[in-house]
Amino acid sequence: QSVLTQPPSVSAAPGQKVTISCSGSSSNIGNNYVSWYQQLPGTAPKLLIFDNNERPSGIPDRFSGSKSGTSATLGITGLQTGDEADYYCATWDSSLSVRWVFGGGTRLTVL
Amino acid sequence: QVQLVESGGGVVQPGRSLRLSCAASGFTFSNYGMHWVRQAPGKGLEWVAGLWFDGSKKYYADSVKGRFTISRDNFKNTLYVQMNSLRAEDTAVYYCARDQSGVVRNFDHWGQGTLVIVSS
Repeated sequence: QSVLTQPPSVSAAPGQKVTISCSGSSSNIGNNYVSWYQQLPGTAPKLLIFDNNERPSGIPDRFSGSKSGTSATLGITGLQTGDEADYYCATWDSSLSVRWVFGGGTRLTVL
Repeated sequence: QVQLVESGGGVVQPGRSLRLSCAASGFTFSNYGMHWVRQAPGKGLEWVAGLWFDGSKKYYADSVKGRFTISRDNFKNTLYVQMNSLRAEDTAVYYCARDQSGVVRNFDHWGQGTLVIVSS
């Protein structure tokens, strides 16, 4: 059971838009930056979004992030088959045991 | 460019120890916090441990506290994790990752991972 809750899977057709939600609490998302990671099959994760809504250099603007209260959302527009991957949200949790927490991951299928 | 290369993985019996290393290059290693993150086969990501740029503060997941020790050598540009009393549930690919700032910002660069299998 992950501290951050993500849908196990989402799917959409090429060219369409998809959103992936990440739900937490005041001890994590509510008071800390959220980052998102893309993990293509068989590869290491890659930073996609940091500080809730910032993109590292090289990440296309098809990817966006937002945060409201204790939830965050990753948006992907103009879906491509190459976007098929697992997506994880993460943030620092400052509850009893300070630590990083990840969402359980969302498998994106581009139909 | 930033490079992180893990090594030291392998097959180890339950209860034994293993030390993983992560060689860093392409950036000033001593300026950044670092982490270990693992991924069990077919499962999601789990943060294991992190430490400040100078190693002065260390943080651990409850699942490894008291068994794993994270450390770094800023002269050798290398991150380590000493894993003792290994259990079957420690089986995973272990990634080292750089923190963009301190230890609470994000994981902006990752290594390719090293596989640890705990089995008799």
